[in-house]
Amino acid sequence: SQTIHQWPATLVQPVGSPLSLECTVEGTSNPNLYWYRQAAGRGLQLLFYSVGIGQISSEVPQNLSASRPQDRQFILSSKKLLLSDSGFYLCAWSVLGAGNTIYFGEGSWLTVV
Amino acid sequence: GENVEQHPSTLSVQEGDSAVIKCTYSDSASNYFPWYKQELGKRPQLIIDIRSNVGEKKDQRIAVTLNKTAKHFSLHITETQPEDSAVYFCAANGANNLFFGTGTRLTVIP
Repeated sequence: SQTIHQWPATLVQPVGSPLSLECTVEGTSNPNLYWYRQAAGRGLQLLFYSVGIGQISSEVPQNLSASRPQDRQFILSSKKLLLSDSGFYLCAWSVLGAGNTIYFGEGSWLTVV
Repeated sequence: GENVEQHPSTLSVQEGDSAVIKCTYSDSASNYFPWYKQELGKRPQLIIDIRSNVGEKKDQRIAVTLNKTAKHFSLHITETQPEDSAVYFCAANGANNLFFGTGTRLTVIP
């Protein structure tokens, strides 16, 4: 069966520091991969999605970036965090193509101080 | 792109009553409509979904209806229980992703 792992689970970072969140999927090949952000008490904001290695689509311009160095690995990064980057970050995957269920990782709580 | 609207944003019901959450979408090409439940501090989890070739789908106390002509779909929870308290998100598919509604916070009062 397919599983998705995301880490770290929580982190507190100072303003201006870098960020790296990592996500891996097991049990499937060539998945769609996604990064979502959820501010406290808010909805799901799609940040990036990827349909293949090295293919990244950005939905919201900001100081975050994403990379997909391997088929089942998706990384969210920032060179300099802002206070507004605080939130709950969710990695997710789906079977490649349209009309397929998205499955979420357990999420990473980021607090920028 | 697709635009999904969800109502109400908050909903309180007495235990045992029914709850209904409604969503509309804009892109007639969408053909997959999942519903997710998110408990406090946890990830959203799929609870039920429906495809455009079906008008209704039921799973125990949960049902979803779809009206493709009107471009709206609804989640129905019957005999609500305190453990149904959570945030519920509807979604509609695009080419490679899902477009989510803004969520409904359901509170079931014991």
